[in-house]
Order: sequence, then C-alpha cells, then structure tokens
Amino acid sequence: EVQLLESGGGLVQPGGSLRLSCAASGFSFSAYPLSWVRQAPGKGLEWVSAINGGGTSTYFADSVKGRFTISRDNSKNMLFLQMNSLRVEDTAVYYCAKKNNGYSPFDSWGQGTLVTVSS
Amino acid sequence: EIVLTQSPGTLSLSPGEGATLSCRASQSVSSNYLTWYQQKPGQAPRLLIYGASSRAPGVPDRFSGSGSGTDFTLTISRLEPEDFAVYHCQQYVSTPLTFGGGTKVEIK
Repeated sequence: EVQLLESGGGLVQPGGSLRLSCAASGFSFSAYPLSWVRQAPGKGLEWVSAINGGGTSTYFADSVKGRFTISRDNSKNMLFLQMNSLRVEDTAVYYCAKKNNGYSPFDSWGQGTLVTVSS
Repeated sequence: EIVLTQSPGTLSLSPGEGATLSCRASQSVSSNYLTWYQQKPGQAPRLLIYGASSRAPGVPDRFSGSGSGTDFTLTISRLEPEDFAVYHCQQYVSTPLTFGGGTKVEIK
C-alpha cells in the first residue's frame, strides 16, 4: 500500500523559511515523479512544484518560483520542499502527491501538513 | 496556462438524486488528460476519474466522466450519503498543472 506522510509544517513569520518533508513507502520510490500541491483555507487546490523520479528535473508554479526548492533523496524515500521568503499567501495545507508518469493524474496523496505564515 | 472553470460552485441535492458537474477549459485539453478528484472535509483528495472517462480502481460505477476538448462532465447517477463532498477537476497535459475551483455537492 502506498503511503505518503508529510511533516514539517508550522507557524512562521513572513519572510521566514520552512522545510517540508514527505516520507514515502509501499512503492518503488525512485521510479515515480512527485509533486507538492497546496490548499489555502477554504480554497481550491494549487499545484506548487514537481520533480521527476531521478531528481534531475524540477518544475515550479510562478507563484513560488525563485522562493521554493524541491528535492528528493531516493536512498531514503524522502521528498522535500524548501520554502524561503514565505508570504502570508503561502498559508495552506501542503500535500505531497504521486503520479505514475509525466502524463498521469495524482493517484496517491499524503494527509497534508499545515503551513501558517503570520506575524 | 490552462484555466479550468467549474460550475456550479455549489450543488444542493438530496440522496438518490443525480448530479451533473461541469469543468470547462480555456483551451483544448489534448488526449483528454483531465481528471476528477473527490475531497471530503479534513481529508486529502481522492482520484475518481482519469483520462476524462476512466474510473480509478475501487470507484463505484455510479460515477462517470465524459467530455473532450474544452468541456468535461462528472456525473453521479444516484447520490449516496458518502458522495456529499467537494469535487475538483484537474488537467495534466501541461505545466503548470491546474485545477478548477471545485464544486461542492451538499445535502439539500
């Protein structure tokens, strides 16, 4: 069974940094692309960033480009999101999500971790 | 960027009734790379439909997807109590991946 477990969320001041982690199990981790998707309170879903299985290609939404970095450690089955220069509008539940390949939907999601950016 | 517009924003229905949800794209979604997710309060989204019309494993056959190009539909034939939730459409043909704003199906 595929399991994705996010951690690292919390309260941070505007301009601060936070690193999210996603621990994966139940599948051949390095074979699959992964993404971060966020959901602001009471709002819809927003794709944030993606990384291919080998970790060599990364993609970002314009809203986070230059501030967020995505990475993965295939030896430890871990996905990361380094978030710098955080803004109030980054407040959201952050989900890690798995795809089967580049052109497929998200077939598995974690339970999410809440990031609150506030002074 | 492909913008997805879902309508209606809220659908108020009774158990046993049918539901029709719409997702319209700002440009053609090639190869019908359009998916639907169900999300209940406090939970992560759950994959329902992919490729516009294929049900994900374990999804009841009262859920069906249709459409092509720029107009897509999710139909729930007879609402069960557990179907009251928010439904999101998403395109996965191009980056940035984009979602619609969601349709909430609530109990009337």
